[in-house]
Amino acid sequence: AQTVTQSQPEMSVQEAETVTLSCTYDTSESDYYLFWYKQPPSRQMILVIRQEAYKQQNATENRFSVNFQKAAKSFSLKISDSQLGDAAMYFCACGGGADGLTFGKGTHLIIQP
Amino acid sequence: DAGVTQSPTHLIKTRGQQVTLRCSPISGHKSVSWYQQVLGQGPQFIFQYYEKEERGRGNFPDRFSARQFPNYSSELNVNALLLGDSALYLCASRHSGKNEQYFGPGTRLTVT
Repeated sequence: AQTVTQSQPEMSVQEAETVTLSCTYDTSESDYYLFWYKQPPSRQMILVIRQEAYKQQNATENRFSVNFQKAAKSFSLKISDSQLGDAAMYFCACGGGADGLTFGKGTHLIIQP
Repeated sequence: DAGVTQSPTHLIKTRGQQVTLRCSPISGHKSVSWYQQVLGQGPQFIFQYYEKEERGRGNFPDRFSARQFPNYSSELNVNALLLGDSALYLCASRHSGKNEQYFGPGTRLTVT
């Protein structure tokens, strides 16, 4: 069984600034993957970034990067140079096996112009 | 390449009725998963199918069933609908050997 906790229901950041979204997880699996998904008002879930738990190096995708602390079971998302199009719900997820993905409750990110 | 497609986009049903939702995965993807997303919550895992066999099931009642066809498309069936089944139903596909799942636009089901 897995649990994912996102403790920030809502975050607000000025355009062009940097924001970090928090996520903690718990899993009994030794081999697992972590993901951040973005869900804009259109409701389509978009994969932002993924991290293999066996890799120590933090994943990076353009303006998006993660801080993966395996011992602390923490997986935060940093968005640099925030843009208006980044406004959305962001979901942290854990999984990779036949049990599917376990999602957190999400963080609503507001970008202030 | 086309992404994951789902049909219908919206659906309104009455309590007690049955519903079938459809999903076509990305070309080359053999694994399909179904999720239920209630308003204000993250998606919850319902089923995972790979090569036409059920490989995983979430904590949902037997009223929920699914199947995968030889072309890897999938259907989710829900019987005896309850008001609480009102949600966005998301389908996701995954390539063999990869772990990231790609989601479709969802089917919004309203039960009245």
